Amino acid sequence: GAVVSQHPSRVICKSGTSVKIECRSLDFQATTMFWYRQFPKQSLMLMATSNEGSKATYEQGVEKDKFLINHASLTLSTLTVTSAHPEDSSFYICSAARDRNTGELFFGEGSRLTVL
Amino acid sequence: ILNVEQSPQSLHVQEGDSTNFTCSFPSSNFYALHWYRWETAKSPEALFVMTLNGDEKKKGRISATLNTKEGYSYLYIKGSQPEDSATYLCAFHFGNEKLTFGTGTRLTIIP
Repeated sequence: GAVVSQHPSRVICKSGTSVKIECRSLDFQATTMFWYRQFPKQSLMLMATSNEGSKATYEQGVEKDKFLINHASLTLSTLTVTSAHPEDSSFYICSAARDRNTGELFFGEGSRLTVL
Repeated sequence: ILNVEQSPQSLHVQEGDSTNFTCSFPSSNFYALHWYRWETAKSPEALFVMTLNGDEKKKGRISATLNTKEGYSYLYIKGSQPEDSATYLCAFHFGNEKLTFGTGTRLTIIP
């Protein structure tokens, strides 16, 4: 089946630093990838839609300058949390749809970010 | 704001027993309802994508039903096994590629 790989799985960083998370589709091309964030005991919340070769589309309330998304190829999207602060500590997970008609998503393993 | 709700939040079931849980979602602008299974330390995995009112889908001991008019879907697990322990997520899809997820039902099977 389709596989989406995400890394790093865990990252701890100091406040003020930037962290990059990669999401790769391993056996299909993904023109669109989705980045979600999950706070404890809450649902997966869509942050942004990453579009290959064009700008990402951000959901309301998500700062585009804070969460930089780059989708330079059909198999790779990156999320960079810039100038991270403790409130950015969360679980970030990416996904991609192989079949845009069904919308069925294939997820990465997720990345746990802790900002000290 | 879309509201996708799942109940119960958590559930403990004896091995061998059957169980079910609920996902409720807006009944307007329906396109599809997704169910995902999320085991600890793994990626969420798609179980079903349901599109038609009255749809019933089955995969092994797991099945799901869909009522789009009243806005709910049930997931059933027959003869629970320890490997069924996971969080089960439902997600509402209203046709623009975006999914709105519920908070999930965390299922623990007691051997």
